[in-house]
Amino acid sequence: ETGVTQTPRHLVMGMTNKKSLKCEQHLGHNAMYWYKQSAKKPLELMFVYSLEERVENNSVPSRFSPECPNSSHLFLHLHTLQPEDSALYLCASSQSRGNYGYTFGSGTRLTVV
Amino acid sequence: AQSVTQPDIHITVSEGASLELRCNYSYGATPYLFWYVQSPGQGLQLLLKYFSGDTLVQGIKGFEAEFKRSQSSFNLRKPSVHWSDAAEYFCAVGAKSNFGNEKLTFGTGTRLTIIP
Repeated sequence: ETGVTQTPRHLVMGMTNKKSLKCEQHLGHNAMYWYKQSAKKPLELMFVYSLEERVENNSVPSRFSPECPNSSHLFLHLHTLQPEDSALYLCASSQSRGNYGYTFGSGTRLTVV
Repeated sequence: AQSVTQPDIHITVSEGASLELRCNYSYGATPYLFWYVQSPGQGLQLLLKYFSGDTLVQGIKGFEAEFKRSQSSFNLRKPSVHWSDAAEYFCAVGAKSNFGNEKLTFGTGTRLTIIP
């Protein structure tokens, strides 16, 4: 399988639940990103990992916890979310050398009830 | 710091008509520029990119974009749109971050509606 794969595609969770989003890339990239996309709002960069090290954390609430165990996998652990956290969560990857753009996954549609 | 402006939030065109989506960027050096398309509920797909050289760039699905340094613009065009082109379009400018990874800054997007 090639490209960037995100699972699950859809997730409904209660505010007291704990869940995780998974992202996997088979492109040999060494940087990975989490974005949040809410209705009628611009793309929000949440976290950046470069060479498995978190290099950017854009004032994201602690109820979101990223993990990058290796250069091919990225997780976003969720706990005690709020309804306003409902959004499309997008994962992307890129190659640090050169400017080739990001490759995005199809996203996880998260609904917090 | 780099920035991108997409002045049109929503554009409606008739099927078969020509299309131009505007993008203006701000960046101190030679920019790396991208256009992405997003269908509802999907991720972003790369349409085309500009690094250097020829200022007219060809992309997938019949799209092209022209880099104009004097106007700080990178407008996306298509001579004849199809109903399947209805989507959200994002312009982005790229740069290297302090940590060596590529950093893309996205515009707010333009939603394209196609009418029969």
